[in-house]
Parts: sequence; structure tokens; C-alpha cells
Amino acid sequence: SQQGEEDPQALSIQEGENATMNCSYKTSINNLQWYRQNSGRGLVHLILIRSNEREKHSGRLRVTLDTSKKSSSLLITASRAADTASYFCATAPNYGGATNKLIFGTGTLLAVQP
Amino acid sequence: EAQVTQNPRYLITVTGKKLTVTCSQNMNHEYMSWYRQDPGLGLRQIYYSMNVEVTDKGDVPEGYKVSRKEKRNFPLILESPSPNQTSLYFCASGGQGRSPLHFGNGTRLTVT
Repeated sequence: SQQGEEDPQALSIQEGENATMNCSYKTSINNLQWYRQNSGRGLVHLILIRSNEREKHSGRLRVTLDTSKKSSSLLITASRAADTASYFCATAPNYGGATNKLIFGTGTLLAVQP
Repeated sequence: EAQVTQNPRYLITVTGKKLTVTCSQNMNHEYMSWYRQDPGLGLRQIYYSMNVEVTDKGDVPEGYKVSRKEKRNFPLILESPSPNQTSLYFCASGGQGRSPLHFGNGTRLTVT
């Protein structure tokens, strides 16, 4: 079953505005990752936040993690038309042993209007 | 350039005709995985491999086979494809531990 659920399913904003996407998950995690997918293409890793971290930045991206609420948010500041894509959160379950298994949500489709 | 290469990019076939989708990575990653992506369902894991000759089922393995004879290659085999396997398929690889995954560009499969 899907662990990550993104909200909203779709988001349309104007260039220059900020975009915020949320992700909720169900079980204990080792880390949470955000990926971007341009239409029909492969996913590209954006940022990874570990379970003991609360906030992380990378360029125009800001990710927060609240393990007590089992939720994360991705903020894209000063959006550009090129940010138009689907964004997925993926959780790495906190199983014993080293595994790269990720459980993906259903994604948020972001459209940035020029 | 570090990459995951899938072939073919598009594939149209008929029910029951065996097919193989190839996947190769050049990053010496031990972990490789196959996902399928369907509208409204996100990405679901089909099979994964932790190393050569070590494979295991993901969440939706029915109707699929995999093999891992070499570290760099992880083909996905559909012995008898059915229309419900029409989907967008992604191969991914990852380094040790719970590190990020690198994805191929996808194979869009249509089974008629």
C-alpha cells in the first residue's frame, strides 16, 4: 500500500510565487526524499531529509519534516515556468538492515504559469 | 556520465508474447529496482535486487520475472504479458544504505 500521500494533487501558480506541497506517511521512517518528474520522464532526486532532521535547504527548495505528525512539506520559492513537473515524496521505511526500498506517494502536479 | 539506461523507450505488444525490458547502470550500485507507474496509483515496486543473484519481490510482482547475473544489469521479463500490464515502467539503482535512487527514463509498454 502507498505510504506517502501528497497534498494537493494539483497546484497552479504564477511565476515568482511560492509553491508548497505536503506529504503524509504512516509508519516509522529512516528518511524522506523528494523527487521531481517531468512529463513521462524518469524521476530526479531533489532532496533527502533524515528522521532526526527538522528542516533542510537546497537552493530554492526548503523541506521540513515533522515525525510526530508523520508529515513533510516541500517549499519551492520564487517559482519558474521550468519548475512545472510532478513532485513525489518517498519514504525509506525504518526496517532493520540496510535497504534502499522507497515507498512513493501519488504525487503533486505543479503548473507554473509564465 | 552516471546513468541508468532502459530499453526500449516504447513497446507495443500483444497478449502472451514474451518480452524483456533491459536496464543497465554504470554507477557500480548494488541495489536495483523496477517500478511501474499508473495514473492515480503513483509508483509501485515490482522487484528489487540487493546484489548479484539476490532478488526479491516488491509490492506488485505477479506476472513479472527478473534476474541479476551481473551487477550492472537488471532485466525485467514479462513471460506472458496481459493488458493490465500496460503501464510506464522505471528501473532505478541506488548506492549503499538508504541513499537516493537514480532512475532510468522509463519504458512505456502497451499490451493489446
